[in-house]
Amino acid sequence: GAVVSQHPSWVICKSGTSVKIECRSLDFQATTMFWYRQFPKQSLMLMATSNEGSKATYEQGVEKDKFLINHASLTLSTLTVTSAHPEDSSFYICSASLRGLSSPYEQYFGPGTRLTVT
Amino acid sequence: AQSVTQPDIHITVSEGASLELRCNYSYGATPYLFWYVQSPGQGLQLLLKYFSGDTLVQGIKGFEAEFKRSQSSFNLRKPSVHWSDAAEYFCAVGASGGYNKLIFGAGTRLAVHP
Repeated sequence: GAVVSQHPSWVICKSGTSVKIECRSLDFQATTMFWYRQFPKQSLMLMATSNEGSKATYEQGVEKDKFLINHASLTLSTLTVTSAHPEDSSFYICSASLRGLSSPYEQYFGPGTRLTVT
Repeated sequence: AQSVTQPDIHITVSEGASLELRCNYSYGATPYLFWYVQSPGQGLQLLLKYFSGDTLVQGIKGFEAEFKRSQSSFNLRKPSVHWSDAAEYFCAVGASGGYNKLIFGAGTRLAVHP
């Protein structure tokens, strides 16, 4: 149980275009979803936290107009990288927190999406 | 502010040898602590977690970790490493301030020699 999927697993786009990444909780309702960015051989950097039906909360330094997050339902959150540039190339990982879980900080992670901007 | 330190960036062990990955945290109250493992190009998998109770916690894949409040540590151990354990290991602590966020350490990359 507690499976999180991401789609696509990898994507290549041209500079200036936008790309959308989906994050789904397959067998549970996610209270909260998180979006992380990971550079090669580095740790995860939290970009934003989203709750269903409300605006995402962005971490300091993350451009909310560039990284649009929509949490349309308890099982789906999307991250749209707008007007992508090569420096946006990275590994993006989402995670979900399970409603009613006894361990409130526990997160279930998706497999990640590799974005390459050419 | 909470923080997590993983002092070892890289560790190399021989297959069958024991393993200990270090993790130190900074947190005022009793922390929620986690160890995750990441294989190349993959997401994170939870190995084990600690919230309260017995300070020695057992996880999946034969891993265990011990919470030591006096040392602010939560080190991960495995008595006999397998080649498939080669991966990146992240220690994390639950952050205060709402939203149940996690703060991750920098990670330790484990290599296993045959």
